[in-house]
Amino acid sequence: DAKTTQPTSMDCAEGRAANLPCNHSTISGNEYVYWYRQIHSQGPQYIIHGLKNNETNEMASLIITEDRKSSTLILPHATLRDTAVYYCIVRVYGRSSGDKLTFGTGTRLAVRP
Amino acid sequence: NAGVTQTPKFRVLKTGQSMTLLCAQDMNHEYMYWYRQDPGMGLRLIHYSVGEGTTAKGEVPDGYNVSRLKKQNFLLGLESAAPSQTSVYFCASRHSDRNSYNEQFFGPGTRLTVL
Repeated sequence: DAKTTQPTSMDCAEGRAANLPCNHSTISGNEYVYWYRQIHSQGPQYIIHGLKNNETNEMASLIITEDRKSSTLILPHATLRDTAVYYCIVRVYGRSSGDKLTFGTGTRLAVRP
Repeated sequence: NAGVTQTPKFRVLKTGQSMTLLCAQDMNHEYMYWYRQDPGMGLRLIHYSVGEGTTAKGEVPDGYNVSRLKKQNFLLGLESAAPSQTSVYFCASRHSDRNSYNEQFFGPGTRLTVL
């Protein structure tokens, strides 16, 4: 699985967009990009995933560069409840080996009032 | 739907004691996972299961055993607890359906301290 690189921490003002970058320069053609977040003391929560097209759901948008070597998770209107650690994970999807996810240390996002 | 539940929520053990952590899910998921998370670190996979009666080792399996006798339950055992096993333990599950795209559902965690 490709390795990911994320900033250790970021902050943004409440109500503004939070843009969380992730570098995955060694990603291969059949690897998806997944984002999870972990609010303090809770279990991680799935946010969104994508292969090569930009994706949007009720929680966030995922922008993947054309060469797929990096991506950005966008929280369009951050709230205090979005304060969490955000994990970018790259993984081949398939039924082999239980589809294990490898969590790094993620980006700690602090949303300021 | 309770989702993924974990029992107990907190536990303190003495070195050498044994215990079992229970994970239960009511979503009829085939895959289940046990992770540990140490302070300031990401999650590390201990063991996982792709179906009832099957288990496999993850990244950090030493000192732990697991069993999946029923589809809805995944047990994590510590036969002889050590202080290095002080951690927060998370259980997760997911469908094997291709359309689930690796979305894992996590439990609330068990905070274990080994003295």
